[in-house]
Amino acid sequence: EAQVTQNPRYLITVTGKKLTVTCSQNMNHEYMSWYRQDPGLGLRQIYYSMNVEVTDKGDVPEGYKVSRKEKRNFPLILESPSPNQTSLYFCASRAGRGSRTDTQYFGPGTRLTVL
Amino acid sequence: AQSVSQHNHHVILSEAASLELGCNYSYGGTVNLFWYVQYPGQHLQLLLKYFSGDPLVKGIKGFEAEFIKSKFSFNLRKPSVQWSDTAEYFCAVTRYGQNFVFGPGTRLSVLP
Repeated sequence: EAQVTQNPRYLITVTGKKLTVTCSQNMNHEYMSWYRQDPGLGLRQIYYSMNVEVTDKGDVPEGYKVSRKEKRNFPLILESPSPNQTSLYFCASRAGRGSRTDTQYFGPGTRLTVL
Repeated sequence: AQSVSQHNHHVILSEAASLELGCNYSYGGTVNLFWYVQYPGQHLQLLLKYFSGDPLVKGIKGFEAEFIKSKFSFNLRKPSVQWSDTAEYFCAVTRYGQNFVFGPGTRLSVLP
């Protein structure tokens, strides 16, 4: 089954404690993204990756890091989380910008609370 | 900067009422258009998409959307909503080769 998986689904942590949210897709997609969803703001892109070792900032990258060492995995790293990073995070993948019928598929979401 | 707007923040309907959710975008040129649905506690799922051709597209669960290029709009419709349609709906736009941009979402509450 084609899917995007994220772990953990729920996470409560404290300010300053480094954390990583994993994301994996089994569709051999080139393009992966991280979004955060906040009430009234919709989805905002944090970082994206167009392929292995190619990443770039989205609209709200401050306080986040990513890496893309393998095509299927795209972890999101918060080196020093702060309460304003409390949010619902979604990983997404798509075949690639070169696909004319490009559609984005989403993971189940990670609800992060930073105390 | 490109943007996507959705007309309503929260829509409340009774079962069997007709639904229309507005979506407008600010891009020029050729665009790809999407509607996603997020049921409570779940991830975003694709409802329907438009790439080219017939501007009236049909999606899952009886939803349809009409692309009106002159109005930069891609409104979502359903003739008769059900309680199970209670969810948040997001319009998204991308131009060929570029990032997706999402609207702020419209929360739909259907009363039984």
